[in-house]
Amino acid sequence: EVQLVESGGGLVQPGGSLRLSCAASGFTFSSYDMHWVRQATGKGLEWVSGISTSGDTYYSVSVRGRFTSSRENARNSMSLQMSSLRDEDTAVYYCATGWNGWDVWGKGTTVIVSS
Amino acid sequence: QSVLTQPPSASGTPGQSVTISCSGSSSNIGRDYVFWYQHLPGTAPKVLIYRNNQRPSGVPDRFSGSKSGTSASLAISGLRSEDEADYYCAVWDDSLRGWVFGGGTKLTVL
Repeated sequence: EVQLVESGGGLVQPGGSLRLSCAASGFTFSSYDMHWVRQATGKGLEWVSGISTSGDTYYSVSVRGRFTSSRENARNSMSLQMSSLRDEDTAVYYCATGWNGWDVWGKGTTVIVSS
Repeated sequence: QSVLTQPPSASGTPGQSVTISCSGSSSNIGRDYVFWYQHLPGTAPKVLIYRNNQRPSGVPDRFSGSKSGTSASLAISGLRSEDEADYYCAVWDDSLRGWVFGGGTKLTVL
């Protein structure tokens, strides 16, 4: 079964750090670009970061310089290292992938940035 | 405020047709493929349209996408109650060097 499972969410203080992980199974992970998408409560979907099959990384303007994406193809996993967290980073974070659009999504992990 | 502009809401009665617009610029819709996603609360988003007008297998042909210049549209015909959801357009933005979503359109089936 094709599956993505996120982990690592939690409560963190403003200015703090958190590392999210996404474990993939059921497909050839190394052949797919991977993405992080988030949704704050009551808000729309927001693309956060992407990492290509070759490891090139891309970030939204809102997280550039604070978040770092990485992947380990041997472990079928990717990570999102988040630092200098702000209140507005509070959201459910999804990992997503696909060939024709993003048709595989995880269930999400919740990040709450609050003092 | 997203670089892609969608109407915040749309509505129709069962059986009717509705169109959701997505307005962008030359750095995104004007130069790259548009994707459309359907999102129901508590579930993972689902891709409805890829590469402007292509439907993944399993998506009913009631859903269709089009693009002209710097704008794109998602048309839904024969509205059904289960179509009530949030709809998002998405595209790569070459100036921002990243993907962007529209603000989303909440579709209500009256």
